[in-house]
Amino acid sequence: QKEVEQDPGPLSVPEGAIVSLNCTYSNSAFQYFMWYRQYSRKGPELLMYTYSSGNKEDGRFTAQVDKSSKYISLFIRDSQPSDSATYLCAISQGGSEKLVFGKGMKLTVNP
Amino acid sequence: KAGVTQTPRYLIKTRGQQVTLSCSPISGHRSVSWYQQTPGQGLQFLFEYFSETQRNKGNFPGRFSGRQFSNSRSEMNVSTLELGDSALYLCATKRGGTDTQYFGPGTRLTVL
Repeated sequence: QKEVEQDPGPLSVPEGAIVSLNCTYSNSAFQYFMWYRQYSRKGPELLMYTYSSGNKEDGRFTAQVDKSSKYISLFIRDSQPSDSATYLCAISQGGSEKLVFGKGMKLTVNP
Repeated sequence: KAGVTQTPRYLIKTRGQQVTLSCSPISGHRSVSWYQQTPGQGLQFLFEYFSETQRNKGNFPGRFSGRQFSNSRSEMNVSTLELGDSALYLCATKRGGTDTQYFGPGTRLTVL
């Protein structure tokens, strides 16, 4: 079983739609959860960072962590064409442990 | 504050050659991690250096190696290149511990 599973998509939605991106993980020792956004031909950029279970909101983005189900989500409200990118979840046990990434979901928001 | 810098941005090599990639971290960041990104495998962790010592290592063959200098700049080397080594190589830096990582733009390596 892979440490992190993420549906690679692709996902295509109309502008203004609510987008839901998800990852599951297998190791309950993971404590830190991140979402990165990667535009074409660029390096990933950190979008959201959470530590505990629950929700964290930042503008149109909401990150949700459910440790009991080992499930993390990223919601994008009022999606815009500029949100078109690949979204990667990343998790870590913390400390000096490495980040483990999902394969990434390619999102296209159509005007 | 300047971001993570990677050089070169693009590289074309032939099988059997070797290559060295460079990463300059954000000022104050002492941890440098290297990743290989391919369409099929996604982002795969190569290794991490912290204070000039390799702290973590992924599941890659010994042809992949790295080092870190006293100014925290890091290099990775791939010897005896294979076609399958064609990928985007990314480095990511952080201050240390649980701090979040910041990625550079990557080096696109093509092996012919």
